[in-house]
Amino acid sequence: QKEVEQDPGPLSVPEGAIVSLNCTYSNSAFQYFMWYRQYSRKGPELLMYTYSSGNKEDGRFTAQVDKSSKYISLFIRDSQPSDSATYLCAMYNSGNTPLVFGKGTRLSVIA
Amino acid sequence: DAGVIQSPRHEVTEMGQEVTLRCKPISGHDYLFWYRQTMMRGLELLIYFNNNVPIDDSGMPEDRFSAKMPNASFSTLKIQPSEPRDSAVYFCASSRTSGGASEQYFGPGTRLTVT
Repeated sequence: QKEVEQDPGPLSVPEGAIVSLNCTYSNSAFQYFMWYRQYSRKGPELLMYTYSSGNKEDGRFTAQVDKSSKYISLFIRDSQPSDSATYLCAMYNSGNTPLVFGKGTRLSVIA
Repeated sequence: DAGVIQSPRHEVTEMGQEVTLRCKPISGHDYLFWYRQTMMRGLELLIYFNNNVPIDDSGMPEDRFSAKMPNASFSTLKIQPSEPRDSAVYFCASSRTSGGASEQYFGPGTRLTVT
């Protein structure tokens, strides 16, 4: 079992839909959770950052962490065509250990 | 700041040839990472440096791969000899720290095709 599992999609939704993207992980030591967004032919860029369990909201984006279930989610409200990208979850435990990335979910928002 | 700079952006080479990918990190960042991205395997960490010193190269697939960081503003990833299965997008990233407490800034990537 890989440390971080993420459904690669693709996921196609109509404009205005609520999108739910998810990752599961096996390492209970992970404490820091991130979502990176990667547009086509670009490098990933940090979108959301969460420490431990709970929710974090930023505009139309909400990141949710459930450490008891080893499950993290990213919700996008009122999705826009400009949200079309690949979304990668990433996580790490502490100290100087590097990030562990999921494979990414490709999202298309259709106008 | 110009961000992380990578060159070349595209590289097409024949099997057996040497390939050198280059990266200039963001000034002031102490950590530099090399990743490889494919559809099958996603984003894989190959090696990372702290203050120009390699810290973990366990992700380097074979001895054909080598990476150097001669100074704080330059790093190379070399593949010799290259093979078709090395075809991928190679990303360089830099950050102030190595873990998730510090955002990693990615370059635009080098798309490598080995025929």
